[in-house]
Amino acid sequence: DQQVKQNSPSLSVQEGRISILNCDYTNSMFDYFLWYKKYPAEGPTFLISISSIKDKNEDGRFTVFLNKSAKHLSLHIVPSQPGDSAVYFCAASALQGGSEKLVFGKGTKLTVNP
Amino acid sequence: EPEVTQTPSHQVTQMGQEVILRCVPISNHLYFYWYRQILGQKVEFLVSFYNNEISEKSEIFDDQFSVERPDGSNFTLKIRSTKLEDSAMYFCASTRDKASEAFFGQGTRLTVV
Repeated sequence: DQQVKQNSPSLSVQEGRISILNCDYTNSMFDYFLWYKKYPAEGPTFLISISSIKDKNEDGRFTVFLNKSAKHLSLHIVPSQPGDSAVYFCAASALQGGSEKLVFGKGTKLTVNP
Repeated sequence: EPEVTQTPSHQVTQMGQEVILRCVPISNHLYFYWYRQILGQKVEFLVSFYNNEISEKSEIFDDQFSVERPDGSNFTLKIRSTKLEDSAMYFCASTRDKASEAFFGQGTRLTVV
């Protein structure tokens, strides 16, 4: 039951370039989307979120884009830095449907090479 | 910066034993959660807790699991009789309100032998 899919298990980019992490979802009830970053042996750290009433949200080097018709969202990191190397999780919830639980994707391991 | 804290960081227990995982959520947060991540798999929702009662639970959260907020600060997850397949990282999280981002603790690695 993969309601949230991150089809790329890994991504490698050069320092200073753009990192684009992708996420697809199947549940049309999802209306709140989040990206988390996770280092080994640590808990997920919140990065950025977007509500379904928006199609873009920006916070510093991080921008999340939401395409509701395609049920697709992406996280852009510009410029990428070696410290960004981590596993990135996409998560979604159906707040209007009365559920605050987060449904996570399997994650994409980002490696930023110096 | 306020954070969610979890203890212990690592717990090893024998199959069939009871374990209690402890969490101190961020102090002004009202919603509390437990998630787990089995090695190599995705983070899975277990249970949410609001106003001193369970508001939502997954099919994983069966009768062997229970949660409690015994005082104003701690939030605990109890597994009554652990099984080998309960081995995982268990994450506690909290949110200020229903529509805000969840903050996660560092996790407790539970190993059932």
